[in-house]
Amino acid sequence: EAGVTQFPSHSVIEKGQTVTLRCDPISGHDNLYWYRRVMGKEIKFLLHFVKESKQDESGMPNNRFLAERTGGTYSTLKVQPAELEDSGVYFCASSQEHNPWMTQYFGPGTRLLVL
Amino acid sequence: DQQVKQNSPSLSVQEGRISILNCDYTNSMFDYFLWYKKYPAEGPTFLISISSIKDKNEDGRFTVFLNKSAKHLSLHIVPSQPGDSAVYFCAASDSGTYKYIFGTGTRLKVLA
Repeated sequence: EAGVTQFPSHSVIEKGQTVTLRCDPISGHDNLYWYRRVMGKEIKFLLHFVKESKQDESGMPNNRFLAERTGGTYSTLKVQPAELEDSGVYFCASSQEHNPWMTQYFGPGTRLLVL
Repeated sequence: DQQVKQNSPSLSVQEGRISILNCDYTNSMFDYFLWYKKYPAEGPTFLISISSIKDKNEDGRFTVFLNKSAKHLSLHIVPSQPGDSAVYFCAASDSGTYKYIFGTGTRLKVLA
């Protein structure tokens, strides 16, 4: 069974540019989560999809971030325009159900560097 | 304000000895706790969890202890192996939101 995949693995962009990150969850997982880790800090929750619906987007930093999950399969996270403080590792995770004891499986992350 | 704290950024342990990683939390609503392990350039992988109705959960070489009154949990690895060298994240969740709140991680180095 394929795990959670993320693309690209790395992205280096200039301040003001746009970047789109993609996440493909494990097949059959309705729940998809985005997290971000800024260097040396905690892994911070950004938002949660159930199928194509945003269940919780309380962690999204501001309106420069837009997440979508059309069709309830893969998800994209767009940052427009990117700022220096957006640099970090963006992780995607998926789970079959949304409860704490249903393991969230993480992808390898996208390392974003904004110059 | 950080609700889950891992105050030791790093820890070195000799192979074969016990590794003890600590985690403190502030939110009394948390009722489920997890440990994830992360290797460089990989995503975190689930290691072990514990519900607040228990005070101990064991899985092979890994044991998690929960002290609710102190709002403290710890991960014990016995015996430690070089392959255990990784960053360990503590996470907590509550039955209301089910969101994972992570700590900043502790880098464990097991010396051969």
